Amino acid sequence: DAGVIQSPRHEVTEMGQEVTLRCKPISGHNSLFWYRQTMMRGLELLIYFNNNVPIDDSGMPEDRFSAKMPNASFSTLKIQPSEPRDSAVYFCASGEGPQGYEQYFGPGTRLTVT
Amino acid sequence: AQSVAQPEDQVNVAEGNPLTVKCTYSVSGNPYLFWYVQYPNRGLQFLLKYITGDNLVKGSYGFEAEFNKSQTSFHLKKPSALVSDSALYFCAVRALQGGGYQKVTFGTGTKLQVIP
Repeated sequence: DAGVIQSPRHEVTEMGQEVTLRCKPISGHNSLFWYRQTMMRGLELLIYFNNNVPIDDSGMPEDRFSAKMPNASFSTLKIQPSEPRDSAVYFCASGEGPQGYEQYFGPGTRLTVT
Repeated sequence: AQSVAQPEDQVNVAEGNPLTVKCTYSVSGNPYLFWYVQYPNRGLQFLLKYITGDNLVKGSYGFEAEFNKSQTSFHLKKPSALVSDSALYFCAVRALQGGGYQKVTFGTGTKLQVIP
């Protein structure tokens, strides 16, 4: 199993540009999470999908952020327009089952907005 | 609201000595508890979990954790630390919310430094 796949691994963009981060969860996992990690704020849950449906998006910072999961094997996190304060490492994680399951994290996308 | 506390930002231990990384939690209802490890420039990796049953849980790389309900703690332990254990460790709790949703909350992380 290849694990959770994220692309790109690094993204450098200018303020105001649109950024799209991509995630392929582990096959068979029905839950998907997007996290953001910074030194100042630590690890923050942005959004949680179950069976492709968004269940908890209370962590999405503002309307500039949006996430989709069109099918069980693909999800995107979009920032439009991007701002320097969005610079962080963004992780995607997946898990299976409704009760007490652990999460499997991807390698992350390091986003730098200049 | 549920919460997780990792009271130590950093723990230093000599190689070969036992290590403990502390975690306390606050939830309504029964918690599911987890430990994850993060190496530099990597995603988090699952180490172990407590769901139910024996309070002492054994996990990867020789780590173990003890669930203590009365003290609401789930400390991570290892009898003999290795330099390669140096990493960032996260405690997490999952508990049932309304509508069957199990929200997960991560602690702020503890940096473990094992000194040769």
